[in-house]
Amino acid sequence: GQQVMQIPQYQHVQEGEDFTTYCNSSTTLSNIQWYKQRPGGHPVFLIQLVKSGEVKKQKRLTFQFGEAKKNSSLHITATQTTDVGTYFCAGPADSNYQLIWGAGTKLIIKP
Amino acid sequence: EAQVTQNPRYLITVTGKKLTVTCSQNMNHEYMSWYRQDPGLGLRQIYYSMNVEVTDKGDVPEGYKVSRKEKRNFPLILESPSPNQTSLYFCATQTGGTEAFFGQGTRLTVV
Repeated sequence: GQQVMQIPQYQHVQEGEDFTTYCNSSTTLSNIQWYKQRPGGHPVFLIQLVKSGEVKKQKRLTFQFGEAKKNSSLHITATQTTDVGTYFCAGPADSNYQLIWGAGTKLIIKP
Repeated sequence: EAQVTQNPRYLITVTGKKLTVTCSQNMNHEYMSWYRQDPGLGLRQIYYSMNVEVTDKGDVPEGYKVSRKEKRNFPLILESPSPNQTSLYFCATQTGGTEAFFGQGTRLTVV
């Protein structure tokens, strides 16, 4: 069945370093969405990418959707403690509204 | 204010004692779903509903039941909970294959 692979599972960074998480789908996606889950919280929608090759920015966060619409990345420049959490990507299944989720990447700031 | 409300937020129960986790949304969304989240496994879909009286199994439906008698409510029922159902549960709603809105989560412990 359809799968979305997300790597890495964890990333430890010093505050101020950059962070990147990658998603790769087994099938072409009509869109890809990114969510952030703070510790103890629920996933919250960040952004949706729809077009092939699309790049969107939200302050220090840069989101990319691949040309083939099968892969995506989220890059955070100069991480801050407020960035801590788990970042998920998700794309709609072919057949219905169901979202197929990546396993998430947990961003940990080293003390 | 757009809301997805889950209750209870925390629940400790004993093996075999039937329980229901409620989920209610005020966004008039047709699509609702239940997920469980376990460390290292991301979000796994339990059941989803495309509309009233239409429900279907997700990836991990064993041991769970749902019902959708009204558009706004989508309760999750554990008829005979077991310790392997100890998890963090999220209800979510969406329209189309786009942004999902999550409830605050229910942390369930089965002893």
